[in-house]
Amino acid sequence: QSVLTQPPSVSAAPGQKVTISCSGSSSNIGNNYVSWYQQLPGTAPKLLIYENNKRPSGIPDRFSGSKSGTSATLGITGLQTGDEADYYCGTWDSSLSAGWVFGGGTKLTVL
Amino acid sequence: QVQLQESGPGLVKPSETLSLTCTVSGGSISSYYWSWIRQPAGKGLEWIGRIYTSGSTNYNPSLKSRVTMSVDTSKNQFSLKLSSVTAADTAVYYCASGAGYFQHWGQGTLVTVSS
Repeated sequence: QSVLTQPPSVSAAPGQKVTISCSGSSSNIGNNYVSWYQQLPGTAPKLLIYENNKRPSGIPDRFSGSKSGTSATLGITGLQTGDEADYYCGTWDSSLSAGWVFGGGTKLTVL
Repeated sequence: QVQLQESGPGLVKPSETLSLTCTVSGGSISSYYWSWIRQPAGKGLEWIGRIYTSGSTNYNPSLKSRVTMSVDTSKNQFSLKLSSVTAADTAVYYCASGAGYFQHWGQGTLVTVSS
């Protein structure tokens, strides 16, 4: 069971918008930056969002991130079939068991 | 553009030690954090640990007793050793760079634990 909680799956039609939630606690999301990763089938994860809401160079503005309290959200607008992938949130956990933690991942299906 | 490439045996026997190396190209390994992350087939990502170029380390508490990481700045490489492996350690192993987030990732290497 992951320290960060994500829905196992989400789906939406092409062109629509979808959000993926990531829930944690004060020891992780509540006091640290959140990042998001996209993993296309058979490939390594790719950084999508860092420091809660910043996009690396080359990531389209269709992807956005936000954080409130102990939860974070990834938003994707103008869905494309190429967005079908697994999405992971991650952050540092400052508890006694300190270390980097990931959510369990969310499978996005573009119908 | 920084690139990372994992290398090492794809098959390890139970109870033996898994050893992997990550070679960094397109940039210096100095003054940065370098991590190992693994992913069993069909499952999520698990952070194994990280090493700073000074040699300082942080390990996943669940793996700490079996993990050793090292860095060789002269070769622009860092390494992972995981001892006493079992079938549960079968996974794709990724190396990645970054402290607050993982900016660059290797392509991953599948390590199977089997006799």
